[in-house]
Amino acid sequence: QVQLVQSGSELKKPGASVKLSCKASGYTFTTYTINWIRQAPGQGLEWMGWINTNTGNPIYAPGFTGRFVFSLDTSVTTAYLQISSLKAADTAIYYCARGPQYSSTWYIDYWGQGALVTVSS
Amino acid sequence: QAVVTQEPSFSVSPGGTITLTCGLTSGSVSPSYYPSWYQQTPGQTPRTLIYNTNTRSSGVPNRFSGSILGNRAALTITGAQADDDSYYYCVLFMGSGAVMFGGGTKLTVL
Repeated sequence: QVQLVQSGSELKKPGASVKLSCKASGYTFTTYTINWIRQAPGQGLEWMGWINTNTGNPIYAPGFTGRFVFSLDTSVTTAYLQISSLKAADTAIYYCARGPQYSSTWYIDYWGQGALVTVSS
Repeated sequence: QAVVTQEPSFSVSPGGTITLTCGLTSGSVSPSYYPSWYQQTPGQTPRTLIYNTNTRSSGVPNRFSGSILGNRAALTITGAQADDDSYYYCVLFMGSGAVMFGGGTKLTVL
């Protein structure tokens, strides 16, 4: 069965970096995109962007350029989200989620369980 | 840049029917935006309900249906149940690789 298993919660100080992982299993990793979605406390869902798991090409939503980096290690079917220069406003749950690749459509069919990042001094 | 709009809140009685909608601040929603819908109960991971306007995700009961109503995407719940009390998010594919979530609708079943 398809699974996306994310790394655990992180507590970081402002200015630090964090790298979250999303381990995929149960399907051919390079045939679906991995999307990243943020949810700040008490807020809605916000699309951060996706990464093409075949080419490694990332697409970042406005507001998620510069400090946010998507990457892959296809040998271990894992996607990563790195956030640098962390701010308190980055405190959120970060979800990875699978979507169609090389398709005219967009949707999420499987979600990771989410990883809470707390940024606090 | 257009914003995806949803009703902030709705309430429905158990067994009732409710239609949540999803629009754009400029322009009309059409199937070419590939609207999708997600349900999230607080503290839980989102669940995919509908994609490509009206395709139900695996395991989603047929009391959830998607459509285009006028210039908006719509999610209809027929025969609402207590566990439908959740947040519902609409997402539109804006093209050029851009995806936008609506702000979500809080549905209360009471």
